[in-house]
Amino acid sequence: GIQVEQSPPDLILQEGANSTLRCNFSDSVNNLQWFHQNPWGQLINLFYIPSGTKQNGRLSATTVATERYSLLYISSSQTTDSGVYFCAVETGGTSYGKLTFGQGTILTVHP
Amino acid sequence: DAGVIQSPRHEVTEMGQEVTLRCKPISGHNSLFWYRQTMMRGLELLIYFNNNVPIDDSGMPEDRFSAKMPNASFSTLKIQPSEPRDSAVYFCASKSGQTQYFGPGTRLLVL
Repeated sequence: GIQVEQSPPDLILQEGANSTLRCNFSDSVNNLQWFHQNPWGQLINLFYIPSGTKQNGRLSATTVATERYSLLYISSSQTTDSGVYFCAVETGGTSYGKLTFGQGTILTVHP
Repeated sequence: DAGVIQSPRHEVTEMGQEVTLRCKPISGHNSLFWYRQTMMRGLELLIYFNNNVPIDDSGMPEDRFSAKMPNASFSTLKIQPSEPRDSAVYFCASKSGQTQYFGPGTRLLVL
């Protein structure tokens, strides 16, 4: 099956700093989502982004499908950004509908 | 919209007991997914339904696990008999279009 690798595994920031999280995947995808799991365990959709670039406030994401990677940018980080960020992909075919998750990046933002 | 609803939110049971987890998807969503999250294995897809029909149950760990979706607004995941290694957070998600939306999860502890 498809492999999804996220980096870095852990990231510690001071409030106000910027960061870039990376997701590499081993095969072509027809769906890619970024999620934030907050400290209470809730998984929150950030972006559906199989290709191209999207922005939502301080967050933006870019997926370069031909090179099989996606980047999540967090600008002017806040303590509420802390949690785990997951990238998840769907490959289609017999895997249609199935999201495969990476292991996540644990982000800690200190005040 | 209330989002995906799961119950119970927490469950503590003894080894050998039957456990039933419940999920109400977002109204109008035609796909429903059950995931399990553990520290060791991360987020894994167990089974998913499309229009109430099970499409892929290859992630169900063994025969002790079963899932049903009797109608478009309700699904259950049952573990019988439960074992300590089943302790995890179980998420239900529903999908409209390309984006999956997750419920708050059920935290299961099997003693």
